[in-house]
Amino acid sequence: DTAVSQTPKYLVTQMGNDKSIKCEQNLGHDTMYWYKQDSKKFLKIMFSYNNKELIINETVPNRFSPKSPDKAHLNLHINSLELGDSAVYFCASSQSAAGVTTDTQYFGPGTRLTVL
Amino acid sequence: AQKITQTQPGMFVQEKEAVTLDCTYDTSDPSYGLFWYKQPSSGEMIFLIYQGSYDQQNATEGRYSLNFQKARKSANLVISASQLGDSAMYFCAMRESNTGTASKLTFGTGTRLQVTL
Repeated sequence: DTAVSQTPKYLVTQMGNDKSIKCEQNLGHDTMYWYKQDSKKFLKIMFSYNNKELIINETVPNRFSPKSPDKAHLNLHINSLELGDSAVYFCASSQSAAGVTTDTQYFGPGTRLTVL
Repeated sequence: AQKITQTQPGMFVQEKEAVTLDCTYDTSDPSYGLFWYKQPSSGEMIFLIYQGSYDQQNATEGRYSLNFQKARKSANLVISASQLGDSAMYFCAMRESNTGTASKLTFGTGTRLQVTL
């Protein structure tokens, strides 16, 4: 049983296209996240949802839009893809009890996006 | 200022030896958590170990232990009896409690560990 799953694992597309990445977790967690890992392996938070409510929205272009239909799913839609969007995108989830720093985040396998 | 600093871009260790991966952090929050993740070449992020700022003892999980020195703001990962399968990128990360329900992890730049025969 995969705890946090993402589809697709690989995504190759042309500049200007619109694409979506899907994420599902079966851990019963309340909070989900999207991180971006660049070509130098640096990981940075993009978005976070807690019980379907957006709670973190870092400085990310408007072309990126997360959607959480329920607390087990968090999708990432990207419009008008650019070369610089090429990266690995990780979904993660956590129980997220407020103020508790033990809140461990569990990551999905990642989606490698390549924009040509 | 960097919140998480990993000064070793790459490390080599011989099989069966112990290795220490360095991590220093910067926060003014009295309550925070420190995490280590492993990223093998297959790409997934695997949670290894957690240390809370108020924990009195260093965290241990199997062959992994965390050398937590609060006054020096360091949280080094120690891997004992290295195995070939330990070859991977290792990331140190921090969560500060002042973010409330916004449980954001801030990551370091990672250390690539190579275990040799």
